[in-house]
Order: sequence, then structure tokens, then C-alpha cells
Amino acid sequence: DAGITQSPRYKITETGRQVTLMCHQTWSHSYMFWYRQDLGHGLRLIYYSAAADITDKGEVPDGYVVSRSKTENFPLTLESATRSQTSVYFCASTGGDSPFFGQGTRLTVV
Amino acid sequence: AQSVTQPDIHITVSEGASLELRCNYSYGATPYLFWYVQSPGQGLQLLLKYFSGDTLVQGIKGFEAEFKRSQSSFNLRKPSVHWSDAAEYFCAALRKTSYDKVIFGPGTSLSVIP
Repeated sequence: DAGITQSPRYKITETGRQVTLMCHQTWSHSYMFWYRQDLGHGLRLIYYSAAADITDKGEVPDGYVVSRSKTENFPLTLESATRSQTSVYFCASTGGDSPFFGQGTRLTVV
Repeated sequence: AQSVTQPDIHITVSEGASLELRCNYSYGATPYLFWYVQSPGQGLQLLLKYFSGDTLVQGIKGFEAEFKRSQSSFNLRKPSVHWSDAAEYFCAALRKTSYDKVIFGPGTSLSVIP
């Protein structure tokens, strides 16, 4: 189906482990984004990408790594998960029109 | 610095009453403007958008928004609220010259009294 999908939807991991959140879009949108949503902070931009192999930091990039080898995929990796990274993560994409969002990944770091 | 503000953190209205959610932006030039709705445990759904032209834009679910350049505002309205409208509402802006990122307001939580 066309759209933007995130996987997994739910994840529990232990402190110090590496975890990767996946994001896939079928529109060939140039721009893709990763946000985290936390109570009291709203949506905060972690990283964004203007095209394949072009990425840049957002507001809260520390502790995260991204890559974009293909236009349709934009994985987000937590290199060594910390409890402060417990959050809901949203991926989004836009081709110059309205940004479209995935359903989110709820990550719990214990 | 570019910013989007939503002055109301939480609003409660009675079912059937009218609704207005406020949004103000601070940008060098008029950005693209959006309203999104997020139901509990769900992703963000686009309600409507303003790019240019008619300053009153219609969206889904009976929502509309009015762009006012003089006030740097993009307020969301609905003439009659339904209980299912209870959700979090986000105003957002995107710079026209470079689609580098979307800036979100902090959100307004809407409660609807039956």
C-alpha cells in the first residue's frame, strides 16, 4: 500500500543496547524527518534528510544516528539507548506539499 | 528565529458549541501552514493546509482555518464540535524556499463535554 510505514510499532529495549527504528515511504518524497514526541515538549525534530545521502541534525540529535542510502528508507538508530530516549518516535516525509506522518513507534528503554 | 505558537494549552468545549484554536507564526516570509490532529495513540493526520490564495481554507471533518497575514495567524475553527473531535491539535509551518523542516507549535489539547 502507498504511504509511510514505521516499524516496529512498539519496542522495549534495555539501557545500552543499540536499536533501529525503520521508516519506509512509497511516494519517493525527497524530504524525510524523524521527530520524537514527549509530554510537555511536543514534537521535536531529531534529524532530517533532503535526499538520499543528505542528512542534517535537527533540534535534538544527540544519541541518534541516521542514514539514507535509498530515497524510500530513513532508519533511525539509537547507538546506546538511554532511559531518556523513552518516547514516541514519528517519521514523516514530504515532496514539497504537506508532510505525511507514520503511525509512530513507541519505544521504552528499561 | 522561526517559531509557531499556540497560546492555549488546553481547551474544553461543550458538544455542539463552536471552536476556535489559535496559532501564530514568526517567520521571515509567509510559510506554508498546516493544522494536524492527533487522537490518543495515533499518528498525526492532516486537517488542512494553506499555501497561497484564498485566506479561508476548508479541511476535513468540517474544520476550516483563516490565514491573516497582518496578525501572523492561522486559526482553526469548527462551527459545531462533536465528541469525537477530542484530540490534540498541532499547528505547523514549513518554509517555502527550502523544505528543510516542519516547525510545530506545542499543541492544544481539546476536551469535549457531552
